[in-house]
Amino acid sequence: DAGVIQSPRHEVTEMGQEVTLRCKPISGHDYLFWYRQTMMRGLELLIYFNNNVPIDDSGMPEDRFSAKMPNASFSTLKIQPSEPRDSAVYFCASSSPLGGPHAFFGQGTRLTVV
Amino acid sequence: AQSVTQLDSHVSVSEGTPVLLRCNYSSSYSPSLFWYVQHPNKGLQLLLKYTSAATLVKGINGFEAEFKKSETSFHLTKPSAHMSDAAEYFCVVEMNTGFQKLVFGTGTRLLVSP
Repeated sequence: DAGVIQSPRHEVTEMGQEVTLRCKPISGHDYLFWYRQTMMRGLELLIYFNNNVPIDDSGMPEDRFSAKMPNASFSTLKIQPSEPRDSAVYFCASSSPLGGPHAFFGQGTRLTVV
Repeated sequence: AQSVTQLDSHVSVSEGTPVLLRCNYSSSYSPSLFWYVQHPNKGLQLLLKYTSAATLVKGINGFEAEFKKSETSFHLTKPSAHMSDAAEYFCVVEMNTGFQKLVFGTGTRLLVSP
């Protein structure tokens, strides 16, 4: 398996624009997580899904952020409109109870909002 | 609630000397604990995990960690540091929610000098 695949790896956008981050989890994993990493706040869990259903979105900073998982092999994290303070590295991770309680992480998307 | 505390934000060692990265956990039950490593501009990689089996856990790249319930600790060690070990290390605990939710520590940056 190729692991968790995120795209794009880098994104630079202007304030106010819509940004969409994409994630393909490991095949067979039924949990998917979106994290954000910043120098100030470290790694924060934004939202996670189980069997494509959002379970806990309490980490989503505000209504500008939304996440979807239309099927087991694809998820998106959208920011609309984007702001400079959204600049961070966004990680997607997936896991399966059958594989143990740890998660497998993608390489991340480095988002810069100017 | 489950949490982890990484006692050092930075640790500096010389190549060939032992490594000790400290982590204390807080949990009302016997938790699952992990160490992840993040190399610069890379995603997070699982180093090792403790899931209530042997208290001394061996991971990749010569790292190991010992679960000590009496001290609520899960320190990461390596007998001899390599330059390639320079990275950020995260101690992680699994939330007891039944949904594989991970809580990350603030991270320890390991610096290795020649």
